[in-house]
Amino acid sequence: EPEVTQTPSHQVTQMGQEVILRCVPISNHLYFYWYRQILGQKVEFLVSFYNNEISEKSEIFDDQFSVERPDGSNFTLKIRSTKLEDSAMYFCASRPSTGQGHAGSEQYFGPGTRLTVT
Amino acid sequence: AQSVTQLGSHVSVSEGALVLLRCNYSSSVPPYLFWYVQYPNQGLQLLLKYTSAATLVKGINGFEAEFKKSETSFHLTKPSAHMSDAAEYFCAVSGGLSSNTGKLIFGQGTTLQVKP
Repeated sequence: EPEVTQTPSHQVTQMGQEVILRCVPISNHLYFYWYRQILGQKVEFLVSFYNNEISEKSEIFDDQFSVERPDGSNFTLKIRSTKLEDSAMYFCASRPSTGQGHAGSEQYFGPGTRLTVT
Repeated sequence: AQSVTQLGSHVSVSEGALVLLRCNYSSSVPPYLFWYVQYPNQGLQLLLKYTSAATLVKGINGFEAEFKKSETSFHLTKPSAHMSDAAEYFCAVSGGLSSNTGKLIFGQGTTLQVKP
């Protein structure tokens, strides 16, 4: 069964460093998402991506964050200068173009990347 | 704006007992509602979803949920808990005028413990 994959599973970085989190969505999916979950808190939406551009972003997704789909298979989240408060589990998700409209179709989640900023 | 509240961050039941995980939502338009489960060291997996068809929704692993508009609730139930049901459960809402991108708004999550 196709699945969303994410690498690395755990990333440790120093404050101020740049990190790139990688995701490979399911191959025929067209909508892509990043979410994050700070330890002990709820899963929060960061950004959605469709047709090679951001379709929606949250207040969390400031200028330090960027997303890219560089080669038609990978979907990356870059944090330019990491802060301590960026420590969290980051989930990638994707969904197909068909289904019950934008909001009703299932999103498929990857296992997450745990980012630790020291 | 849409929001989700899950009552009870931890629920503990005995094996074979009824599982009831509570979820209330807030939405100014008819919502789409989801329950996801997360097992240790894994991603979120869809259990079931409500998308304005039948109000009683059946999902995988014997779970079901009932959409009650009057109570703005979407509680998750399972008649008989199994040890393998121990996991984190998330209720989520999507849709509405504030977004047409399908983004999910999650509740805080409920950890289900199943005792032998």
